[in-house]
Amino acid sequence: LAKTTQPISMDSYEGQEVNITCSHNNIATNDYITWYQQFPSQGPRFIIQGYKTKVTNEVASLFIPADRKSSTLSLPRVSLSDTAVYYCLVGDGNNFNKFYFGSGTKLNVKP
Amino acid sequence: EAGVTQFPSHSVIEKGQTVTLRCDPISGHDNLYWYRRVMGKEIKFLLHFVKESKQDESGMPNNRFLAERTGGTYSTLKVQPAELEDSGVYFCASSPTWGPPETEAFFGQGTRLTVV
Repeated sequence: LAKTTQPISMDSYEGQEVNITCSHNNIATNDYITWYQQFPSQGPRFIIQGYKTKVTNEVASLFIPADRKSSTLSLPRVSLSDTAVYYCLVGDGNNFNKFYFGSGTKLNVKP
Repeated sequence: EAGVTQFPSHSVIEKGQTVTLRCDPISGHDNLYWYRRVMGKEIKFLLHFVKESKQDESGMPNNRFLAERTGGTYSTLKVQPAELEDSGVYFCASSPTWGPPETEAFFGQGTRLTVV
């Protein structure tokens, strides 16, 4: 499993755009990049997934450069309810959801 | 549609006792995963079922842990005998049949296990 490195924590204010970058230098050709969000006392929840370039959904955008050794999760106009831990995961293309979770990034959104 | 359900939500048992955790995946999901987070550490993969078959059990810590998925529906994870270091939160996740890569895993809320 490809390991990931992301900041332990980040602070932001309501209404700001938040970008969380993740490094995955040993990503394999058939790996996909997936981001999950976790609130206290809950299981992780899927946010977005991509393979290359840019992916956007109603919640976030995911930017992946050509070499795929990093990725950036972009959360537009965060609110207090976006305070959570965000995990960058690299899934084996043959076993998509066998993840190495890592420590995640604790995002703290302030009023 | 119901999500992934785990039972119980909390369990406190004494060292040496047996505990069985249950996971009901989303109906129709062939893939079922168990993960756990122990003592504030990272969430770690335990095993993966495809229907009733164990696809990958490389994360199971030792032979005190036994997972089953009879009939390819719900799954149980039994710990026997429980040790103090087994305390933590056990998560179950399910995902649809293997297909296009863009398949998310749906996690349950977890079972918090405390061994005293």
